[in-house]
Amino acid sequence: DGGITQSPKYLFRKEGQNVTLSCEQNLNHDAMYWYRQDPGQGLRLIYYSQIVNDFQKGDIAEGYSVSREKKESFPLTVTSAQKNPTAFYLCASSVTAGAFNQPQHFGDGTRLSIL
Amino acid sequence: AQSVSQHNHHVILSEAASLELGCNYSYGGTVNLFWYVQYPGQHLQLLLKYFSGDPLVKGIKGFEAEFIKSKFSFNLRKPSVQWSDTAEYFCAVIPTDSWGKFQFGAGTQVVVTP
Repeated sequence: DGGITQSPKYLFRKEGQNVTLSCEQNLNHDAMYWYRQDPGQGLRLIYYSQIVNDFQKGDIAEGYSVSREKKESFPLTVTSAQKNPTAFYLCASSVTAGAFNQPQHFGDGTRLSIL
Repeated sequence: AQSVSQHNHHVILSEAASLELGCNYSYGGTVNLFWYVQYPGQHLQLLLKYFSGDPLVKGIKGFEAEFIKSKFSFNLRKPSVQWSDTAEYFCAVIPTDSWGKFQFGAGTQVVVTP
């Protein structure tokens, strides 16, 4: 079955540590996205990527970094500069870069907590 | 900056009742609109979408939504809900001149009681 795999499901971080959240898709989608979900705030866009080796900042990119070295992978690093990293992180993908009517497919998410 | 507002954060209703969830967006240009649903323990999935044509769109599981451009609204409806419709519902908007910048509402938690 095609889909998006996010790992780990739960992640704990100590203060001052960088952590990397994995997102892999086997849907052959061009575009990938990272969102942060906080209670009562819906999903907020962190970064998105239309194609390999290209990505853009979303609305809340500060304290985060990404890479897109392979089509199927879009890892997100939560750096120590992110002051409030405790949240639920969702990765998504969509078929074609530039196609506005293409829906996104979502992974199951990673819940990050600070120790 | 654009935003998406979902008016109800929590809705509780009985089986067979009708459901309407409001969604308004603040963007003056052309947009594409989506409703997503997240059932307990499952990932977000597409319920329906609008990008052109008939403003009344039908989705899965008997849901429909109406795009009213003059009101910047895209309300979701279902005439008769079932217990299995218990879920969180998210409205999402993307302007057609700003690819990738999906904006989501805060979500509405719907609980259907037997």
